[in-house]
Order: sequence, then C-alpha cells, then structure tokens
Amino acid sequence: AQSVTQLDSQVPVFEEAPVELRCNYSSSVSVYLFWYVQYPNQGLQLLLKYLSGSTLVESINGFEAEFNKSQTSFHLRKPSVHISDTAEYFCAVSRYSSASKIIFGSGTRLSIRP
Amino acid sequence: GAVVSQHPSWVICKSGTSVKIECRSLDFQATTMFWYRQFPKQSLMLMATSNEGSKATYEQGVEKDKFLINHASLTLSTLTVTSAHPEDSSFYICSAYDRGTEAFFGQGTRLTVV
Repeated sequence: AQSVTQLDSQVPVFEEAPVELRCNYSSSVSVYLFWYVQYPNQGLQLLLKYLSGSTLVESINGFEAEFNKSQTSFHLRKPSVHISDTAEYFCAVSRYSSASKIIFGSGTRLSIRP
Repeated sequence: GAVVSQHPSWVICKSGTSVKIECRSLDFQATTMFWYRQFPKQSLMLMATSNEGSKATYEQGVEKDKFLINHASLTLSTLTVTSAHPEDSSFYICSAYDRGTEAFFGQGTRLTVV
C-alpha cells in the first residue's frame, strides 16, 4: 500500500518570498507522484507530475518538484510566490501502472501575505 | 485536457432521503472511475473504485450499502447516498483516467444534509 505525508498543514509566506512544501511517501512498489492544487470551493487541478525520467519536474506557473528516491520525497518549491498562489496543495501517489487509484496527503494550506 | 463533469454541483436534502450524484467523462471513455469525499479543511479520502460493468471496490470502512455505486456505461458512474444523515454532509469528488497516467477530477458535489 502507498501513503503520503505532508509535514506542514499550513505555510504562511510573504509575497515574492520562496516557498517549499514538503512531501514524503511510502510504497513497496514503484510509484507515480503528483502535486494538485485546490482553490476555495473548487475541484482539483494537476500542478505537476513525476512519472519517469528527469527527477525535476516543472509546472507552467513557476512551481517545481524534485523526486528523490533515496529520501522518498517529492517536495514542491517556488522561488517567488504571488498572492494568487494562495490555495491548498495536495501531494499524491499512485502505483506505477495505468489507471491506479490515487492516494492523497493531508494537504498544505499556502497563505501568501502582501 | 479531458473533462470530467459532476452533477449536481451542490445539493441540500432532508435527513433520511437518498441523493444521487453523477460523474461523467465528457470526451473520453473511462472503464474505471474513483469516488472521493472531502470533509472541510481535510484531504480527499478514497471511498471506492467504480468499474464499468462490474461491482465497485470499496475502501476499508466505507459502507457499500450506504454508498451505492453504479457504473453502467463507459462515460457515467453514479454515487447514491442512501438514507442520508447530517454526518454524510461532505464534498464528493470523482475522477477518471484518460489513456492511463493522468487522472482528471470533477468539480465536486457539495452535499448538505439537514
């Protein structure tokens, strides 16, 4: 079985400051890793994913995450945040096969202060 | 990307009644869909895996007689909350895969039982 741990339930940062949201996973098999973002009262949007290949993956809005197999981590980073990044961020994992169920971490609420 | 649509977006029902939530894949066929529930300020918890033409697979602790899932076609899965009670009030989200590695999520259904 897979599990995901997001160590920080809330992360407050100032606008234009860097941020890191931490994620660790546990699995006995190979996995895919994801970060999803949820804005208030909305569904989920895929931010980025690691399937294979380069361990550093990037999103179109400046976020990046690095897959670290030895540390079983997939931390999310952004060098300079904006007010519009305020949202709930979920790290997730699924088995390394097609159409597998996705297991979510508990979520990290990113709040940006002006 | 592919679109998954849920209906209704929100519903209020009286305690003791049943509520049906629909999940449709609009531009692709999905042999497997997943149902999640999300309590306020919490993560998404997988309830069940819906399989077209066969019985759903429920996660441990989810009452199959309470949450009826029917996946009658390749584009539609339904979740019926039977004899709903206030503790069933939650945000229900479905997801489906299009060609294997990326899951698409519906916009969610907010159920309030009064």
